Amino acid sequence: QKEVEQNSGPLSVPEGAIASLNCTYSDRGSQSFFWYRQYSGKSPELIMFIYSNGDKEDGRFTAQLNKASQYVSLLIRDSQPSDSATYLCAFPSGSARQLTFGSGTQLTVLP
Amino acid sequence: DAGVTQSPTHLIKTRGQHVTLRCSPISGHKSVSWYQQVLGQGPQFIFQYYEKEERGRGNFPDRFSARQFPNYSSELNVNALLLGDSALYLCASSMTTGGSHNEQFFGPGTRLTVL
Repeated sequence: QKEVEQNSGPLSVPEGAIASLNCTYSDRGSQSFFWYRQYSGKSPELIMFIYSNGDKEDGRFTAQLNKASQYVSLLIRDSQPSDSATYLCAFPSGSARQLTFGSGTQLTVLP
Repeated sequence: DAGVTQSPTHLIKTRGQHVTLRCSPISGHKSVSWYQQVLGQGPQFIFQYYEKEERGRGNFPDRFSARQFPNYSSELNVNALLLGDSALYLCASSMTTGGSHNEQFFGPGTRLTVL
């Protein structure tokens, strides 16, 4: 079983809709999670992190963490075409707490 | 403030050659991590350095090596290049090492093509 599973997509939503991106993980000891956005041909950009059960909101973005069910999600409200990108979830693991990434979900917001 | 910088941005090499990639972290950050990202996949961890010491190593062959300098910049070296080494090489900067809340910020990456 992969350590981090993401729906590879692609996921398409109309402009103004809510985009929901999900990630499941296998390590019950994971304490925190990071969401990165990666535009085509660019490097990942940190957009959210969460380490407590429940919701964390930042502007149009809401991260949700459910440790009992071992999933973390990212909701993007009022989706814009500029949100079209690949979204990567990651968590620290190993002795150096290096990031373990999912394979990413490609999101397209249709105008 | 400058973010993470990497050089070169693009590189084309042939099989068997070696390559050196460079990274400068965000000012004040003492840890540098290297990741390899192939098309369609998430980044894979290669190395982490903190205060010039290796703190972690991913599942990569010995052809890959790295080091960190007193100014916290870092180099990633890859010897005997293979076609499969073609990827985007990412450097990530963080203030410290370890911990669960240690945010890592990525540089623009170096696109390596091996022919």
